[in-house]
Amino acid sequence: DARVTQTPRHKVTEMGQEVTMRCQPILGHNTVFWYRQTMMQGLELLAYFRNRAPLDDSGMPKDRFSAEMPDATLATLKIQPSEPRDSAVYFCASGLALTGVSGANVLTFGAGSRLTVL
Amino acid sequence: QKEVEQDPGPLSVPEGAIVSLNCTYSNSAFQYFMWYRQYSRKGPELLMYTYSSGNKEDGRFTAQVDKSSKYISLFIRDSQPSDSATYLCAMSARGGATNKLIFGTGTLLAVQP
Repeated sequence: DARVTQTPRHKVTEMGQEVTMRCQPILGHNTVFWYRQTMMQGLELLAYFRNRAPLDDSGMPKDRFSAEMPDATLATLKIQPSEPRDSAVYFCASGLALTGVSGANVLTFGAGSRLTVL
Repeated sequence: QKEVEQDPGPLSVPEGAIVSLNCTYSNSAFQYFMWYRQYSRKGPELLMYTYSSGNKEDGRFTAQVDKSSKYISLFIRDSQPSDSATYLCAMSARGGATNKLIFGTGTLLAVQP
């Protein structure tokens, strides 16, 4: 079964430390999304890429978050410096955006990275 | 106001009951409607996907879209304890760079044996 791989699965860190989360999308998928999930807000879109180009990162706090796709097999989400309010589960998802009139993204999610910032 | 609203529940039903899960939305540009199921400590997985208005059936699951009311539903017939999970609706607009997927907050469903 093709799947999205996320690392680390769990991360506990102290406030002010840098956190990097990594994602390996499904081979052949051309979109990658980063979501953050909390009990209060549910799934919030942080950033997304199409063919490795960033399309929308309006959901990210720009002063501390950054998202990149150095190549087609790796997406990263970095938080520097981390704060307790960043504690959440971060999901990466990849999909295949169809061209032409049907532009739906049907996404496959990874298992998530659970971040705790003390 | 959020673009997609969903009652968080929790919703508790006995085994065999018919379950109705719903979402409302405000963005009339949404054309693609999906339901994801998320088990505890797992990532969401796609359950059903519909385009525009109408119904779609897959086994015990039926998805309905009413674009005139900006309202979508997921029905689960003969619910089973294994259906216990959080159900998230998701939507996207048609085509281009606007096709980012927006999720509801999810409804927690518990099916009691």
